[in-house]
Amino acid sequence: LAKTTQPISMDSYEGQEVNITCSHNNIATNDYITWYQQFPSQGPRFIIQGYKTKVTNEVASLFIPADRKSSTLSLPRVSLSDTAVYYCLVVRYGNKLVFGAGTILRVKS
Amino acid sequence: DAEITQSPRHKITETGRQVTLACHQTWNHNNMFWYRQDLGHGLRLIHYSYGVHDTNKGEVSDGYSVSRSNTEDLPLTLESAASSQTSVYFCASNGDRGEVSGTDTQYFGPGTRLTVL
Repeated sequence: LAKTTQPISMDSYEGQEVNITCSHNNIATNDYITWYQQFPSQGPRFIIQGYKTKVTNEVASLFIPADRKSSTLSLPRVSLSDTAVYYCLVVRYGNKLVFGAGTILRVKS
Repeated sequence: DAEITQSPRHKITETGRQVTLACHQTWNHNNMFWYRQDLGHGLRLIHYSYGVHDTNKGEVSDGYSVSRSNTEDLPLTLESAASSQTSVYFCASNGDRGEVSGTDTQYFGPGTRLTVL
């Protein structure tokens, strides 16, 4: 599976839009991009998944350019409760997830 | 509501003791997973199961074992606990019964914090 690279940490303020970019240069045709969120003392939670272009749900948007070598998770108008670790994963049929270190997002008031 | 639970939530044990961590899911999922999470390493896969009586080794399986006697449970056993196994352990599940879907969302439990002294 393609290795992912994302920033170690990011800071933001309440009400701002936050964009976290993930690089996955060696992504294969059958791979999808998935993002999980993990709050302190909890297990990871699925946020969003996409294959190409743009996907939006009630929590976030995921932008994937045509070459699919990177992706951007966009969190609109963050609040203090969005402080968490965000993981970008490349996933493929077979179920095994490979987690990197993730991005620590700190939202300040 | 369907859920995935882990017990105990916190455990302190001594080096050399056998420890079993429980994981129970009520989604009727075919697939279950065990991960450990340590600072600087993210989550690493220990063992996984694609159905009853099926078990597979993950990335860091040494010193751990699992068994799957029914759909709902996948207990994780540390045969002889070592200080290097101090960690937070997460169980996860996905896949409706009879299906194996590679991109299916995994649902994680709340975790068990294990300390080996």
